[in-house]
Amino acid sequence: DTGVSQNPRHKITKRGQNVTFRCDPISEHNRLYWYRQTLGQGPEFLTYFQNEAQLEKSRLLSDRFSAERPKGSFSTLEIQRTEQGDSAMYLCASRHRGSYEQYFGPGTRLTVT
Amino acid sequence: DQQVKQNSPSLSVQEGRISILNCDYTNSMFDYFLWYKKYPAEGPTFLISISSIKDKNEDGRFTVFLNKSAKHLSLHIVPSQPGDSAVYFCAAHDTGTASKLTFGTGTRLQVTL
Repeated sequence: DTGVSQNPRHKITKRGQNVTFRCDPISEHNRLYWYRQTLGQGPEFLTYFQNEAQLEKSRLLSDRFSAERPKGSFSTLEIQRTEQGDSAMYLCASRHRGSYEQYFGPGTRLTVT
Repeated sequence: DQQVKQNSPSLSVQEGRISILNCDYTNSMFDYFLWYKKYPAEGPTFLISISSIKDKNEDGRFTVFLNKSAKHLSLHIVPSQPGDSAVYFCAAHDTGTASKLTFGTGTRLQVTL
């Protein structure tokens, strides 16, 4: 069990650029989540995958955000035309079917300048 | 609409004493509760959880108490150790959704020598 991994750990980008983050969940976990955390707040749900199917999206996930999980393994989160308000920590979590506990990766800290 | 509330942003406790972190919730559909611990620049780490059908769960130095009628839960750490210094998040699972977690805003615990 190598845990949830996320890449990159840090990303600095200029406003208007596109960015893509990757998450590799724990191998036997078929549920995968993306959250966003800003300073002084707890993580906020963005989207959820069961295997390769994206089953729920938060209203926080504007049209500029897209997430995929091809073949039900790793997942990517892309933000197009980044804005300064997108600056946050993006967290990925996974869980096993039949368990409530979600296990988080180290996060990707995005700074939009 | 903050459905999970941690009203104490910070708490300072002496080493060896008990730390009590509190959490209140408003959504009656929450059926499972979790506590996470977070160090700076890391993702949240799962600590302990409790089902809504129980009122107590214990794991070593950590005990979570749930009072459903009051919609209140608490995390007790005894004895507190300097390594427990971190931000603690309370999270709740909503049975009516795709198993996303709703987090509180966190309580920063500092354990002093």
